[in-house]
Amino acid sequence: AQKVTQAQTEISVVEKEDVTLDCVYETRDTTYYLFWYKQPPSGELVFLIRRNSFDEQNEISGRYSWNFQKSTSSFNFTITASQVVDSAVYFCALIFSGGYNKLIFGAGTRLAVHP
Amino acid sequence: GAGVSQTPSNKVTEKGKYVELRCDPISGHTALYWYRQSLGQGPEFLIYFQGTGAADDSGLPNDRFFAVRPEGSVSTLKIQRTERGDSAVYLCASSPDRLQETQYFGPGTRLLVL
Repeated sequence: AQKVTQAQTEISVVEKEDVTLDCVYETRDTTYYLFWYKQPPSGELVFLIRRNSFDEQNEISGRYSWNFQKSTSSFNFTITASQVVDSAVYFCALIFSGGYNKLIFGAGTRLAVHP
Repeated sequence: GAGVSQTPSNKVTEKGKYVELRCDPISGHTALYWYRQSLGQGPEFLIYFQGTGAADDSGLPNDRFFAVRPEGSVSTLKIQRTERGDSAVYLCASSPDRLQETQYFGPGTRLLVL
């Protein structure tokens, strides 16, 4: 079965703190893609990153970084020096090669960054 | 360029009524998807179009739900005999014509069935 688990339902931090959002996935496929999306209060899902299963290099984009570890089936997302504008629900998602283009989403983690 | 657009942004209807939700994908994107997001949950896949044809409709919950994309661009999600449990945000996404490509989402249509 294909599944994405985001165990953290809600996280609350104070501005400038670093925060890591966890994502654990399950798939039997060897070829798959992992994604992170941000859903701010406005409701629109905003694409953040796409990573394929053959590329385990970590990635950094500004204050955002992603740690992909196949050994633990995890694709964690870290925000460094969080800001109030980072407040949103963050979703981790999976596409597996046998599933056409169907995105399988986790339940999301609600991040609240307080001034 | 313009992103995915969806109309209406909000729809309130009564139980038993018929509704249509419209999605206009990013220009040039041949793949189009519908998802449904209930409160506090992640989006759930409904249907995927490649061009005019539904390549995967395995997520449609029952035969009250139907979607079309007659000219390979705009898509309409149709719900017959609406039920209160159909209340949710319906999200549309589009992507270029390659497998496992990034999907770009529209703002959604919030459907409330009274």
